[in-house]
Amino acid sequence: EVQLVQSGAEVKKPGESLKISCKASGYSFTSYWIGWVRQMPGKGLEWMGIIYPGDSQTRYSPSFQGQVTISVDKSITTAYLQWSSLKASDRAMYYCARSRSYDESDFWSHWGQGTLVTVSS
Amino acid sequence: DIQMTQFPSTLSASVGDRVTITCRASQSINVWLAWYQHKPGKAPKLLIYRASSLESGVPSRFSGRGSGTEFTLTISSLQPDDFATYYCQQYNNFFTFGPGTKVDIK
Repeated sequence: EVQLVQSGAEVKKPGESLKISCKASGYSFTSYWIGWVRQMPGKGLEWMGIIYPGDSQTRYSPSFQGQVTISVDKSITTAYLQWSSLKASDRAMYYCARSRSYDESDFWSHWGQGTLVTVSS
Repeated sequence: DIQMTQFPSTLSASVGDRVTITCRASQSINVWLAWYQHKPGKAPKLLIYRASSLESGVPSRFSGRGSGTEFTLTISSLQPDDFATYYCQQYNNFFTFGPGTKVDIK
């Protein structure tokens, strides 16, 4: 069974760094793209970026390029989303999701449960 | 960038109603459109892909149609478990989500 299990909720201060994770299991980790999606309070879903664990190719939405970094650790089948300096506006729920195929522009068939990030002074 | 619009933004309906949500793309996306159901505090759930293909395990009361720039998601007989927010997503050129349609109880 394909599973994506995300790390727990985080409470951080503006300016702090953060790395949240998405642990994958039940499939060949290196063969499918993993994407990250933001949902700000009361708002819709926004695509942030995707990564191909096989070779760590990444693609970022223009809205998030330079704002976050997506990475993987193949040895522990885990994808990461990180910020070097959080802003209050980064407060949101973040989801990881897996592509249906090896195509970088394919829909997402499996989703993590979400990680809530709160940024407050 | 491909922009997606959805309407209505909110839809009030009763159990047993037939419900249709429309999604429009700013340019042709062929059939590269997916629909997701999202409930508060839960992971989004894939319902439909390639505009009209029903994901395994999804009830047959859900159906999708369309191609090019206009698409619809229909729930033939609304059930209590269907009250949620529905998003369309184009995957013709990376990804864009529609703004969502909240289906609530009339």
